[in-house]
Amino acid sequence: NAGVTQTPKFQVLKTGQSMTLQCAQDMNHEYMSWYRQDPGMGLRLIHYSVGAGITDQGEVPNGYNVSRSTTEDFPLRLLSAAPSQTSVYFCASRKEGTGELFFGEGSRLTVL
Amino acid sequence: GENVEQHPSTLSVQEGDSAVIKCTYSDSASNYFPWYKQELGKRPQLIIDIRSNVGEKKDQRIAVTLNKTAKHFSLHITETQPEDSAVYFCAASLNTGGFKTIFGAGTRLFVKA
Repeated sequence: NAGVTQTPKFQVLKTGQSMTLQCAQDMNHEYMSWYRQDPGMGLRLIHYSVGAGITDQGEVPNGYNVSRSTTEDFPLRLLSAAPSQTSVYFCASRKEGTGELFFGEGSRLTVL
Repeated sequence: GENVEQHPSTLSVQEGDSAVIKCTYSDSASNYFPWYKQELGKRPQLIIDIRSNVGEKKDQRIAVTLNKTAKHFSLHITETQPEDSAVYFCAASLNTGGFKTIFGAGTRLFVKA
């Protein structure tokens, strides 16, 4: 199993540009989520999904969109990037009824 | 919603000493409390967890305690080694029904050889 795969690993955007961070998992996990990690602020939940077709907001959802059309994929969309979205983004998944989150390797995004 | 506070933000210990990291949570409905370790440039990985029906859990040099009444839980690392140097995150979640896992701000642990 590849586990949780994120792409791209690095991205530089200009203010106002849009992009999608991809996340895929091959463990048949029902739950998937996106976090952003900023210095001194830990991991903050952006959006999460409990299954295909179901998404919900986390702690810091503004400026981000998600969709979950399949169990495997959970892309994160930035419609109009802002410098405040410069961060490291982690996708994570877990199986229903269990607690452990499995993280991807992270995507470092810089917005100029 | 749930809020998790973690202290200290930075901790420096001598090799062989013990390290303690403390967290408090706000939602009394939370019933699952994991701890993650993140080495520099790597992804967070689970090192130990505890459920609300247990007061203490130990795995070799690491242990976690939970006080449900006070809504706080702690990570204890004994006989620290340089490879324990990392950022540690506590978290709280509902394991059934609710699915959000909320993290503390992290503790950067330095173990000096």
